[in-house]
Amino acid sequence: AQSVAQPEDQVNVAEGNPLTVKCTYSVSGNPYLFWYVQYPNRGLQFLLKYITGDNLVKGSYGFEAEFNKSQTSFHLKKPSALVSDSALYFCAVRDNRGSTLGRLYFGRGTQLTVWP
Amino acid sequence: EPEVTQTPSHQVTQMGQEVILRCVPISNHLYFYWYRQILGQKVEFLVSFYNNEISEKSEIFDDQFSVERPDGSNFTLKIRSTKLEDSAMYFCASRDILSNQPQHFGDGTRLSIL
Repeated sequence: AQSVAQPEDQVNVAEGNPLTVKCTYSVSGNPYLFWYVQYPNRGLQFLLKYITGDNLVKGSYGFEAEFNKSQTSFHLKKPSALVSDSALYFCAVRDNRGSTLGRLYFGRGTQLTVWP
Repeated sequence: EPEVTQTPSHQVTQMGQEVILRCVPISNHLYFYWYRQILGQKVEFLVSFYNNEISEKSEIFDDQFSVERPDGSNFTLKIRSTKLEDSAMYFCASRDILSNQPQHFGDGTRLSIL
């Protein structure tokens, strides 16, 4: 079965420091992986994706993520955190079996707080 | 940048009443989805829809739920007889037909059942 785990409910970092938000996954077949961010009272905003190719993918707002097949991980990273990065981050994996529409399976989310 | 829009932003309904949540997907997208997020829980898939047919539905999407694309722009989720446990944030999403594209989400409708 497809599943996603985000082991940390909260991540706190100081502004200017690097940040990592962890995600591990379990899928049948090749994984399509996504990160979304949710600001208060807003929907899920797409950040970046891994479909195939380079293991390091770059996305919006300076975020990047590293796909590691052997560790089944897709951690979100940013070299220098901003206070405005504070939000709820969701990792998701797409089900590519059968249906071409590909439902998403989400992790529980990680609340990132960047303090000044 | 084109967006998925959802209305209303907040819906308060008495238990047992019918409710319709509305979504306008991104105009050139052909795949549509509904998800929900109960407070403090994961975002959960409800249903996917393409070419005026349900493609897949989860175990949550029982006979009380239905979806419809009544015209060329709207995509609706109907709950026939709401229950207290239907209280959640409901998100609509749409996706381009290309398989490597992400789903784009609306801001959600907060449904409160009294």
